[in-house]
Amino acid sequence: DAKTTQPTSMDCAEGRAANLPCNHSTISGNEYVYWYRQIHSQGPQYIIHGLKNNETNEMASLIITEDRKSSTLILPHATLRDTAVYYCIVRVWKSSSNTGKLIFGQGTTLQVKP
Amino acid sequence: GAGVSQTPSNKVTEKGKYVELRCDPISGHTALYWYRQSLGQGPEFLIYFQGTGAADDSGLPNDRFFAVRPEGSVSTLKIQRTERGDSAVYLCASSLTFLGEQFFGPGTRLTVL
Repeated sequence: DAKTTQPTSMDCAEGRAANLPCNHSTISGNEYVYWYRQIHSQGPQYIIHGLKNNETNEMASLIITEDRKSSTLILPHATLRDTAVYYCIVRVWKSSSNTGKLIFGQGTTLQVKP
Repeated sequence: GAGVSQTPSNKVTEKGKYVELRCDPISGHTALYWYRQSLGQGPEFLIYFQGTGAADDSGLPNDRFFAVRPEGSVSTLKIQRTERGDSAVYLCASSLTFLGEQFFGPGTRLTVL
């Protein structure tokens, strides 16, 4: 699986947009970008995923560059409850692999401040 | 509906002892995963079940670790002759299919003294 690079930590003011970058320069054509987050003492929580088009759901937006070598997770109006570790994961999507394991890096610790 | 549950939430044991960690996945989810998370690190994949069979056990660190899912629902992670290095949070996740969104449980914190 391709590896990802994320900043170790970021701060964001409450109510502002949080933009979390991720580099995945070796991503392959059949690999999706997934984002999970982990709030302290809880299990990881799925946020969003995409292949090459931008995606939006009730939690966040995912912007993937045209060359797919990087992406940005956007939390439009960050709240204190969004303070967490955010993981960017590149995941193979092919039935022949018969495994859906997630390979986590160390993620970005996002601190939302009042 | 109910999410993924794991028991116990905390387990303290002595070096050399045997432990079992239980995972109850979301009803109907055919895929089940075990991960291990050490302090300050991201979760690390251990094993994946599709139904009753272990489809990928490439993450199990050694033969002291074993997991079962005999009826395709509840899974048990078993660790023999525990070592202090086994101390970590053990996370279980389930998904409807092997490529679907994974739903994680709260984890079991294992401490080996």
